[in-house]
Amino acid sequence: AQSVAQPEDQVNVAEGNPLTVKCTYSVSGNPYLFWYVQYPNRGLQFLLKYITGDNLVKGSYGFEAEFNKSQTSFHLKKPSALVSDSALYFCAVRLDTGRRALTFGSGTRLQVQP
Amino acid sequence: GAVVSQHPSRVICKSGTSVKIECRSLDFQATTMFWYRQFPKQSLMLMATSNEGSKATYEQGVEKDKFLINHASLTLSTLTVTSAHPEDSSFYICSARVSAASYEQYFGPGTRLTVT
Repeated sequence: AQSVAQPEDQVNVAEGNPLTVKCTYSVSGNPYLFWYVQYPNRGLQFLLKYITGDNLVKGSYGFEAEFNKSQTSFHLKKPSALVSDSALYFCAVRLDTGRRALTFGSGTRLQVQP
Repeated sequence: GAVVSQHPSRVICKSGTSVKIECRSLDFQATTMFWYRQFPKQSLMLMATSNEGSKATYEQGVEKDKFLINHASLTLSTLTVTSAHPEDSSFYICSARVSAASYEQYFGPGTRLTVT
């Protein structure tokens, strides 16, 4: 079984400050890890993924995430938050075998204050 | 590229009726499509996985007779909610992949279903 935990329901940060949205995972095998963002009443937009290789992954809109195998974490980060980054963020994991379906975390609402 | 559309975006239906939601991959062929359900302020829950030309694989607890999934072509999958009840009201999101081994999964904009 695979699972994803996003321990924070909401993260508040001031515009211009760095942000971190936490994600830990549990899989039996090599994980493929993803971050998606969702705006109100919209589908999910892909931000970035880790498949293999460099542990630091850079994605869309200045976001990046670091894969940490020993801590089974894949935290999302951005050096300087924008008000427009305010949205719901989902971490997801899948295996490279089997059904390869994504399992999502519970989501973290990011609120960036001006 | 890699656009997935859903139709309708919003639908209101009366209890006991059936409603069909379409999911289309507009600029690529999707051998695999997924249907998710999202309750307010909650995560996406996978309902079923469908492969073109074969029966859908439903997740545990999802009634296959209630949520009929058809994936008749490489660009179209449909979800029919049969005999809808108010508790079926939700946000339904589909996603599509080029193949089972593909890394990328593209999501539709979602369909808001309200059953009165």
